[in-house]
Amino acid sequence: DVKVTQSSRYLVKRTGEKVFLECVQDMDHENMFWYRQDPGLGLRLIYFSYDVKMKEKGDIPEGYSVSREKKERFSLILESASTNQTSMYLCASSLNRGSPYNEQFFGPGTRLTVL
Amino acid sequence: AQSVAQPEDQVNVAEGNPLTVKCTYSVSGNPYLFWYVQYPNRGLQFLLKYITGDNLVKGSYGFEAEFNKSQTSFHLKKPSALVSDSALYFCAVRDRAGGSYIPTFGRGTSLIVHP
Repeated sequence: DVKVTQSSRYLVKRTGEKVFLECVQDMDHENMFWYRQDPGLGLRLIYFSYDVKMKEKGDIPEGYSVSREKKERFSLILESASTNQTSMYLCASSLNRGSPYNEQFFGPGTRLTVL
Repeated sequence: AQSVAQPEDQVNVAEGNPLTVKCTYSVSGNPYLFWYVQYPNRGLQFLLKYITGDNLVKGSYGFEAEFNKSQTSFHLKKPSALVSDSALYFCAVRDRAGGSYIPTFGRGTSLIVHP
């Protein structure tokens, strides 16, 4: 089974702190995604990566950056956390950029609270 | 452009009764369609997908979905609901014509199955 793990289930940070959210997948997937999930808004894509060192902005990239130095790891960085970034963050991966019908596999999520 | 709508924020059904969770989509070409389920404090899990062929797709946990091109719908169904089916359900679409490898998710429908 594909496993997508996220470094923390719950995280509490202070305004202005730099925050790192880590995601690791173990099935050699090319594609990796970061979403945030807020009640009533569904899933909104922050960033997408289809290969090592490659990234594309999603719908809401402002205030975030990403890093993909290895195929299995995709990191989300909040350069200076703000209270409006309090949310559930979900990482996902999928196989093969050339096959857009492949489903995504999601991690358990990180619930981030910024005080 | 691709979009998806889940017109009901919440669906209530009695255990043992059939359930339907609605999804409609908009794409410029033909769609790939997906359903995911999210249990409390968990990430999303893949249920089923439509790629091509038979309009009735069977998936995990006894769920099925019917692709209707004329109505641009992909409703999720189950003949007999269980209390354990209570969860948040997301529909997602990718447009084959657009060349995007990124799905668009609906806002989610909360399914509540009453004992």
